[in-house]
Amino acid sequence: KNEVEQSPQNLTAQEGEFITINCSYSVGISALHWLQQHPGGGIVSLFMLSSGKKKHGRLIATINIQEKHSSLHITASHPRDSAVYICAVRHSGGGADGLTFGKGTHLIIQP
Amino acid sequence: DTEVTQTPKHLVMGMTNKKSLKCEQHMGHRAMYWYKQKAKKPPELMFVYSYEKLSINESVPSRFSPECPNSSLLNLHLHALQPEDSALYLCASSTSWANTEAFFGQGTRLTVV
Repeated sequence: KNEVEQSPQNLTAQEGEFITINCSYSVGISALHWLQQHPGGGIVSLFMLSSGKKKHGRLIATINIQEKHSSLHITASHPRDSAVYICAVRHSGGGADGLTFGKGTHLIIQP
Repeated sequence: DTEVTQTPKHLVMGMTNKKSLKCEQHMGHRAMYWYKQKAKKPPELMFVYSYEKLSINESVPSRFSPECPNSSLLNLHLHALQPEDSALYLCASSTSWANTEAFFGQGTRLTVV
């Protein structure tokens, strides 16, 4: 079983729709990251969460530590939001030990 | 400056070649990482440097040799690679503390022929 599970794997929606991507993890973590990767490769960090909720523009990320679950929401989705969204966790224990990634959610927003 | 810069962006090399990938950041981060990403797969951790010392090697073959000459630079030396090593190689950096944001470079797309 993967340590980080994301759903759905693929999501196609119409412009303007409210989008939710889910992430569940099975290990103790110090932080959870939501990342965005466009075709061509570069990864952009959207959020880093260790508790609660964060909002940036049309993006909202929440985490429930007890349930080991996080969600990424996109409000008023736009075709430029089309990308792969990746959930990644840093194991608890501190220090620089790299991230463990989910398989990603491939999001397509159609005009 | 919140950038991680990787060079080159694309690299094609033969199986007998020796080449190097470079990564640079000027954010004062003391942790730097190499990840390998195959097509349609998530990135996989290869190496972690913390305070210029190799702290994690995820059982990477010796044909990949990392080097951290100073706190701003991270290299990945490549020698005698195989076609299956073709992938996107991503560099990242962060402070050395656990709950901090990670910054990624744009990656080097490597093709081994």
